[in-house]
Amino acid sequence: KQEVTQIPAALSVPEGENLVLNCSFTDSAIYNLQWFRQDPGKGLTSLLLIQSSQREQTSGRLNASLDKSSGRSTLYIAASQPGDSATYLCAGRLQSGSEKLVFGKGTKLTVNP
Amino acid sequence: NAGVTQTPKFQVLKTGQSMTLQCAQDMNHEYMSWYRQDPGMGLRLIHYSVGAGITDQGEVPNGYNVSRSTTEDFPLRLLSAAPSQTSVYFCASSYGGGKWETQYFGPGTRLLVL
Repeated sequence: KQEVTQIPAALSVPEGENLVLNCSFTDSAIYNLQWFRQDPGKGLTSLLLIQSSQREQTSGRLNASLDKSSGRSTLYIAASQPGDSATYLCAGRLQSGSEKLVFGKGTKLTVNP
Repeated sequence: NAGVTQTPKFQVLKTGQSMTLQCAQDMNHEYMSWYRQDPGMGLRLIHYSVGAGITDQGEVPNGYNVSRSTTEDFPLRLLSAAPSQTSVYFCASSYGGGKWETQYFGPGTRLLVL
């Protein structure tokens, strides 16, 4: 059974710091992986989508990597800002035959001014 | 585009009542899904649809029904509400699979069952 784990559950950093959020999955036969942002009381916003054939994706200050062999993905946030404070979730889709996204429980990020 | 819209934003039900959570998208997306989000459990898939007239069960389908008569709409029906269905419900859509699979989520419906 595919399981997705995110560590740490919560992270507090000062403004301007570069940081890494971690996502691990138990089944390396993963089709793609997405990173989402969720603000309190809001829905999820997709940040980056990495296909299994890709190693990384970049959008602005965000960079996500995928290493299928080790079952890990990381989200790198450069020069963090207070506006980056939110919960970040990763979700993986199984190789084939399934429309199910398996979500991690998220990392709650607080960026202090 | 309005994106993915959900109504109502908040609802209180009594045990045994039925209701329909509405979801609509204006992006001409084929794929639509319903998730519930519970503390400590993460998001779990309830039902999904890969196109009009096609629906299938997800991880936690019991107590819920769906239909997809149009591309735009994907309502979720609670047949007989139970306190265990207290949760935040999210509808999501995507253009398709693979590289088209960026998921767009609605703002959610908070449901309290007494």
